[in-house]
Amino acid sequence: AQSVTQLDSQVPVFEEAPVELRCNYSSSVSVYLFWYVQYPNQGLQLLLKYLSGSTLVKGINGFEAEFNKSQTSFHLRKPSVHISDTAEYFCAVSGLTGGGNKLTFGTGTQLKVEL
Amino acid sequence: GAGVSQTPSNKVTEKGKYVELRCDPISGHTALYWYRQSLGQGPEFLIYFQGTGAADDSGLPNDRFFAVRPEGSVSTLKIQRTERGDSAVYLCASSPTGGPGTEAFFGQGTRLTVV
Repeated sequence: AQSVTQLDSQVPVFEEAPVELRCNYSSSVSVYLFWYVQYPNQGLQLLLKYLSGSTLVKGINGFEAEFNKSQTSFHLRKPSVHISDTAEYFCAVSGLTGGGNKLTFGTGTQLKVEL
Repeated sequence: GAGVSQTPSNKVTEKGKYVELRCDPISGHTALYWYRQSLGQGPEFLIYFQGTGAADDSGLPNDRFFAVRPEGSVSTLKIQRTERGDSAVYLCASSPTGGPGTEAFFGQGTRLTVV
């Protein structure tokens, strides 16, 4: 079984400031890791994913995340946020084997960018 | 259309009634997933289709929930004898294949309210 913990339900930040959204996971097997973003009144959109290789993953809109196996973390970062980054962010994991890409999501972090 | 389409976008029904939620995946995508997102929670997996068959239905909460994909394209999620606890946003996603790690493309969801 897998689980995902997003410790921060809300993160307020000023425009052009850096931000880090935290994600920790628990799994008895190796996993793939994902970050999805949900803008108001829109569907979930993939920001980035870690499958293998370099532990630093770059995604769309200037976001990046670092996979840390020893700390079972996959924190999302952006060096300078914009008002348009205001959205709900979900961390998710899936197993490496088995049928399909069944995702287990965290509870989400609401990022609110203020002027 | 280019994306995953879900209809209706909103559905209000009375307790005890039967509802059907429809998902049109991206053309050519063989994998289709249903998730349920309750208020303040992340999406929870319900069922995964590979082609016409339900490859994993381990997330369906009880036998009131059923889903079909008869021609390997459009899918319908069916809920019998609805309860107030079924109120949630029901999300559909599709992937080109069912391989682990492949990107899932989400629709905007159907908001179901049981009164």
